[in-house]
Amino acid sequence: AQSVAQPEDQVNVAEGNPLTVKCTYSVSGNPYLFWYVQYPNRGLQFLLKYITGDNLVKGSYGFEAEFNKSQTSFHLKKPSALVSDSALYFCAVRDNSDYKLSFGAGTTVTVRA
Amino acid sequence: NAGVMQNPRHLVRRRGQEARLRCSPMKGHSHVYWYRQLPEEGLKFMVYLQKENIIDESGMPKERFSAEFPKEGPSILRIQQVVRGDSAAYFCASSSDHTHPMAQHFGDGTRLSIL
Repeated sequence: AQSVAQPEDQVNVAEGNPLTVKCTYSVSGNPYLFWYVQYPNRGLQFLLKYITGDNLVKGSYGFEAEFNKSQTSFHLKKPSALVSDSALYFCAVRDNSDYKLSFGAGTTVTVRA
Repeated sequence: NAGVMQNPRHLVRRRGQEARLRCSPMKGHSHVYWYRQLPEEGLKFMVYLQKENIIDESGMPKERFSAEFPKEGPSILRIQQVVRGDSAAYFCASSSDHTHPMAQHFGDGTRLSIL
């Protein structure tokens, strides 16, 4: 069984400040971890993924995420948030022997000018 | 646009009618996944298909729901005799190979509303 928890429903930050969206996961095998962003009435856009290797993963639009195996976390970060980063963010996990993605409930990010 | 194409974007049906949702995967992708997103929730896996084969339908409701991915044409998610609880956003994703950990690429979804 695999699952994802995003403990914060909402994250509010001022433009220019660092942004962190938290994610913890549970899988039986080695995890493949993903972050997606969803804008209103749109599908999910892929941001980044962790498969293996360096624990710090860099993705699209200046986002990065850090894989922490001991804490089973994969927090999304951006050093300096933009108003245009306001959206719904989903963390997802799949076991390395599976193909189904399990998603968290999502975190709404609001970046104020 | 070489992305995953879903249509219609919005679909309104009355209770008891049938809903057909279509998905054309990205060019070169032969693996299709359907997910459902209920309000205030994340996406839930429904079914995984390859051309002409259903690989895993463990997330599909046992009744009224079916999916296909024919040799030619888009994948179809079919909901018969729709009920209010079927109202949701239905997303299709595609990938080139499920064994390699490639990201699944998503369409913009079909928002189904049941009157």
